[in-house]
Amino acid sequence: DAGVIQSPRHEVTEMGQEVTLRCKPISGHNSLFWYRQTMMRGLELLIYFNNNVPIDDSGMPEDRFSAKMPNASFSTLKIQPSEPRDSAVYFCASSRDRGEPQHFGDGTRLSIL
Amino acid sequence: GENVEQHPSTLSVQEGDSAVIKCTYSDSASNYFPWYKQELGKRPQLIIDIRSNVGEKKDQRIAVTLNKTAKHFSLHITETQPEDSAVYFCAAFSGTYKYIFGTGTRLKVLA
Repeated sequence: DAGVIQSPRHEVTEMGQEVTLRCKPISGHNSLFWYRQTMMRGLELLIYFNNNVPIDDSGMPEDRFSAKMPNASFSTLKIQPSEPRDSAVYFCASSRDRGEPQHFGDGTRLSIL
Repeated sequence: GENVEQHPSTLSVQEGDSAVIKCTYSDSASNYFPWYKQELGKRPQLIIDIRSNVGEKKDQRIAVTLNKTAKHFSLHITETQPEDSAVYFCAAFSGTYKYIFGTGTRLKVLA
């Protein structure tokens, strides 16, 4: 079991640029979550997918943020245009089903200059 | 709305002592309560969990207790070691799909 795989691990870019974060959930898991973690706000749920369908995106901060899950093994979180306040660690997590243990990826540390 | 309060925010204990972290949840429909350990620069890792039909669960030096009536649950770490130093998060599963996380406890085990 390779676990949840995220890429890139680190991303540094200038404000205004498009940023794409990638996630491969654990095979067989039907629930996928994107979180953002900062010192000030802790762990925030951005969006939740179930069986590749976005169920709740109320945590997405602005229209600049979008997420897709084209198939069961891949999801992206895109920020366009990026701003310095988007700097954070972004985690992807998956679970076998609702109410089952979540497994987190190693995260993407994003810095917007 | 749904909320999980976690206390204390920081905790320092001497090596070998016990540590207790407490969480209170608001949604009475919550039925699953995981605990995560996050070391600096690493991902949150599940260390123990408990479901609402159980009052206590142990795994070696770690235990979790649940009081459904009072809507609170606690993490107990006995015989603490320096490698237990980390941030610990509690969470409550709302019964739909959301995991509501506490704000974290920074545990420091002093050698």
